Amino acid sequence: QQPVQSPQAVILREGEDAVINCSSSKALYSVHWYRQKHGEAPVFLMILLKGGEQKGHEKISASFNEKKQQSSLYLTASQLSYSGTYFCGTQSQYSGAGSYQLTFGKGTKLSVIP
Amino acid sequence: GAVVSQHPSWVICKSGTSVKIECRSLDFQATTMFWYRQFPKQSLMLMATSNEGSKATYEQGVEKDKFLINHASLTLSTLTVTSAHPEDSSFYICSARDRGGIGSAFFGQGTRLTVV
Repeated sequence: QQPVQSPQAVILREGEDAVINCSSSKALYSVHWYRQKHGEAPVFLMILLKGGEQKGHEKISASFNEKKQQSSLYLTASQLSYSGTYFCGTQSQYSGAGSYQLTFGKGTKLSVIP
Repeated sequence: GAVVSQHPSWVICKSGTSVKIECRSLDFQATTMFWYRQFPKQSLMLMATSNEGSKATYEQGVEKDKFLINHASLTLSTLTVTSAHPEDSSFYICSARDRGGIGSAFFGQGTRLTVV
């Protein structure tokens, strides 16, 4: 099942904050966040595995709720370089060695303006 | 992070011809790789899961005879678009997960296919 991302698009001025949400109707094994710039492949940001987990790097962080059905990506003090489309990719279960395909949300287009 | 290399980055071909796209994991072994297709301003849609040494698993609605996948080694998967038509024009991206498949997924650079 495709996760639901919100908002679909957001415009920020440099220095402003944003939150992007990713929700699933069922508990997830993991959530992966990516940023994709126009014409390029997605770039990995972070992975969350544990309920209640929060992690981040510098001004981009993410959380995974206790029920493991929702994740949020937090961008603080946004920079022009943050512009792009953000996707969450979810894995519904751990099925042992082999295939672990991710299902991606529709994406959130973030535009940071001066 | 792990490195996945995809080649070519872009290709233009004539309608009716075939195009091969390569996906390599450069610093880890990937028993499984994934092929996605992305239309402009849309999400990544999984086409198939490529399994080393066995047949690929295709998603519903993806023609396996049109999109041939070969995963001959632990570091290389290829996608061949056969008898390409203009509607096959798209951005094709491969990905692989390290740590035996439980780590993060890393993407190749993508291949922009234009069929004229």
